Amino acid sequence: QSVLTQPPSASGTPGQRVTISCSGSSSNIGSNAAYWYQQLPGPAPKVLIYSNHKRPSGVPDRFSGSKSGTSASLAISGLQSEDEADYYCAAWDDGLNAYVFGTGTKVTVL
Amino acid sequence: EVRLVQSGAEVKKAGESLKISCKGSGFSFTSSWIGWVRQKPGKGPEWVGIIYPGDSDTRYSPSFQGQVTISADMSITTAYLQWSSLKASDTAMYYCGRFQYSGYEDYFDYWGQGTLVTVSS
Repeated sequence: QSVLTQPPSASGTPGQRVTISCSGSSSNIGSNAAYWYQQLPGPAPKVLIYSNHKRPSGVPDRFSGSKSGTSASLAISGLQSEDEADYYCAAWDDGLNAYVFGTGTKVTVL
Repeated sequence: EVRLVQSGAEVKKAGESLKISCKGSGFSFTSSWIGWVRQKPGKGPEWVGIIYPGDSDTRYSPSFQGQVTISADMSITTAYLQWSSLKASDTAMYYCGRFQYSGYEDYFDYWGQGTLVTVSS
């Protein structure tokens, strides 16, 4: 059972903005950075956002991250069909002394 | 180019042992953390643990401590994940990845292609 909670699904039409939340606690997001991964069918997850809001090279600026208190958010603006995937938040948890992933959100482009 | 190449799919019976591998290239293997992640069919990823091949410092998730062993051989830039007695519940895809672990930035930046482990009871 994950300690980071996400909504199971989110959807939007092409061009819309979709936001995914990630709720944690003081031992993980509250005291450490949040990360976001995208997993397309098949391959391993790919990091989209690191250190709360930074984008690795190659990740479109349509993806943005933020953190407030014990929660983090991922926003996808200008939704495209290729954004249809599973999205996971993650963070280090000081209580567990382990890296934890969120429950995951499936994004559907209508 | 950073590459992590994992060993092939395995089909085993419950109670058997298994060791899967992850060979790194294109980066300093001995001064990087290498991690393992389990992903069961239709489920999210779960962090198994990490190893620093330079000194074999190893950290495990409490959920996996005592259930698996992570090791590495610096001479062939390869990390391993092993089980002494498999269970049907170990059936999953296992990914290795380079784990950026610094205390203020902790994330996987490169991944292997995954190794599917199937355990029959």
